[in-house]
Formats: sequence, structure tokens, C-alpha cells
Amino acid sequence: QKEVEQDPGPLSVPEGAIVSLNCTYSNSAFQYFMWYRQYSRKGPELLMYTYSSGNKEDGRFTAQVDKSSKYISLFIRDSQPSDSATYLCATTHSGGTASKLTFGTGTRLQVTL
Amino acid sequence: DAGVIQSPRHEVTEMGQEVTLRCKPISGHNSLFWYRQTMMRGLELLIYFNNNVPIDDSGMPEDRFSAKMPNASFSTLKIQPSEPRDSAVYFCASRGDGGGEQYFGPGTRLTVT
Repeated sequence: QKEVEQDPGPLSVPEGAIVSLNCTYSNSAFQYFMWYRQYSRKGPELLMYTYSSGNKEDGRFTAQVDKSSKYISLFIRDSQPSDSATYLCATTHSGGTASKLTFGTGTRLQVTL
Repeated sequence: DAGVIQSPRHEVTEMGQEVTLRCKPISGHNSLFWYRQTMMRGLELLIYFNNNVPIDDSGMPEDRFSAKMPNASFSTLKIQPSEPRDSAVYFCASRGDGGGEQYFGPGTRLTVT
């Protein structure tokens, strides 16, 4: 079993829809949770960064972590065609220098006009 | 800053040939990561360095893979001999002191025929 599981999609939604992207993880030692966005033929870029359980909001994006169920979510409100990309969840044990990230395989999102 | 620089952007080679991928991290960053991305396995960490010292190479798939970081501004990932199953996109990422966000390069798309 992979440490981080993510549905690969693709997920296709109409412009303006609310998008829900999810990951599950198996290691209860994970403390830091991230969402990266990757456009086609580009490197991933950090979108959201959260510590432990709870919600974090940034504009149209909300990251949610439920450590009791080992479940990570990213919500996108009022989705736009420019949101079309692959979204990767990532997690790590600590935020320190020695930490390394474990990634999900990514969910490909397509927002249509 | 120019961001993380990788070269070449594309590499096509024949099975058995040596392949060298290059990375220049963001100036001042002291952690460097090499990843491999495929459709089947997603983004996998191969090796990472801190202050030019390899910290964790457990993700290096075989002895055919080797990585070096001779100084703070340059790293190489070498595959010798290359095999068709090495075909993937290889990303380099760097991170500043204290942990936090990893900044990814544009990747090298490797095709081994």
C-alpha cells in the first residue's frame, strides 16, 4: 500500500463549479500537509501548506486536514479554466531541514467552459 | 532569481548509453532533491542532499543510478547504463534553510529507446 493514496482522475467540471480533491495517508506521524499544482509539462508549484488538523483558506482555495481519519482535501470554489492542472497532495513528518515529502500520484483536473 | 535550472529539457538516448542530468538550485538554498515522475508511480523521491551531503538515497532504484553535488550550485544525476524503463520526467527541487517549500525545476523528459 502506498503511503499516500490519491485518485488519478481525470476529473472534469464546468466553469464555476466547486471542486473537491482528496487524499488519504497511512502514517499517523505525518504532520505537515501540502497541495502542489502542476501544469502540463511544468514542475509542481506549492499551492497550500498546512500543519496538523484544521482548515486553511487562501482566496478560492481551502485546504482541510482531518488527522483522525487521515484524510486531506482541497476545495476550489468558482473553478476557472486556468485551474486545469494536476493537483498533488504531499506530506511529511516534520517541517525541518531533514524532512522529505511523500507525494500522492496526482489528480488531473479539467475545468471546461 | 531564475529559479531552479535543469538541463537538458529533453533527452532521447538508446538503451545502454550513459545519461547525465544537471541541476542548478536556487542561490542560497541548501537542500536539493531529485525526483522521478511517471504516470504509473507518480512523483518519487530518488535522493536528497543537505549542504551538499547526501542525506537519503533510499529512493535510488538501482546501482545504475548515481547522484553528486560537488558544490552548492550544481548537482548531477547519472544513469549508466540506461534502460527503457528509466523513461520518465526527472525533476530537481531546492529548498532554503529551515524547511518549508520546495521549488521545482522544469524537469528533464528522458526517453530511452
